[in-house]
Amino acid sequence: DVKVTQSSRYLVKRTGEKVFLECVQDMDHENMFWYRQDPGLGLRLIYFSYDVKMKEKGDIPEGYSVSREKKERFSLILESASTNQTSMYLCASRPGLEQETQYFGPGTRLLVL
Amino acid sequence: GEDVEQSLFLSVREGDSSVINCTYTDSSSTYLYWYKQEPGAGLQLLTYIFSNMDMKQDQRLTVLLNKKDKHLSLRIADTQTGDSAIYFCAEEDSSYKLIFGSGTRLLVRP
Repeated sequence: DVKVTQSSRYLVKRTGEKVFLECVQDMDHENMFWYRQDPGLGLRLIYFSYDVKMKEKGDIPEGYSVSREKKERFSLILESASTNQTSMYLCASRPGLEQETQYFGPGTRLLVL
Repeated sequence: GEDVEQSLFLSVREGDSSVINCTYTDSSSTYLYWYKQEPGAGLQLLTYIFSNMDMKQDQRLTVLLNKKDKHLSLRIADTQTGDSAIYFCAEEDSSYKLIFGSGTRLLVRP
């Protein structure tokens, strides 16, 4: 079974703090993704990575950065958290670009005060 | 750009069939997906259909694809209370990224 884990289920941070969200997959997948989920908006892609040290901007990258130093780990970084970044953050991985599905982690619910 | 649309809410009685509809815009999508999200959880892949298929059946789930109208539907037969969740339709764009709809909340009444 594919397993995608996220470091925290719930996080509370203050405006201006630097926030790290970690995602780990154990199936040697090449592709990893970060989404945020907001009511009525579905999932929106923030960043994705095709391979180690590679990253591509998604649809809403502003205010975020990412790091992929090892194949199994994809980190999402909020350099200076703001209240409009309060959201559910979902990580996903996929074996390769032409594979048919993405596997999702359980999500991290982030509240920025 | 690409867009995926779904109705926001559906309510059915236990034992009835549920039909969740979705429209998409990218005619080059290779795969179309249905994901399920239970409260407080991540997304779970339910099923997917390859774009050259019209229908796919998997136990209680039936997916219908009308490429001409860019319309995708998910039918759940004999809907159970455990099927209550949010269902997301997604299409894959030409860069292999997934574009999600806003989700349909299915409520199953006893």
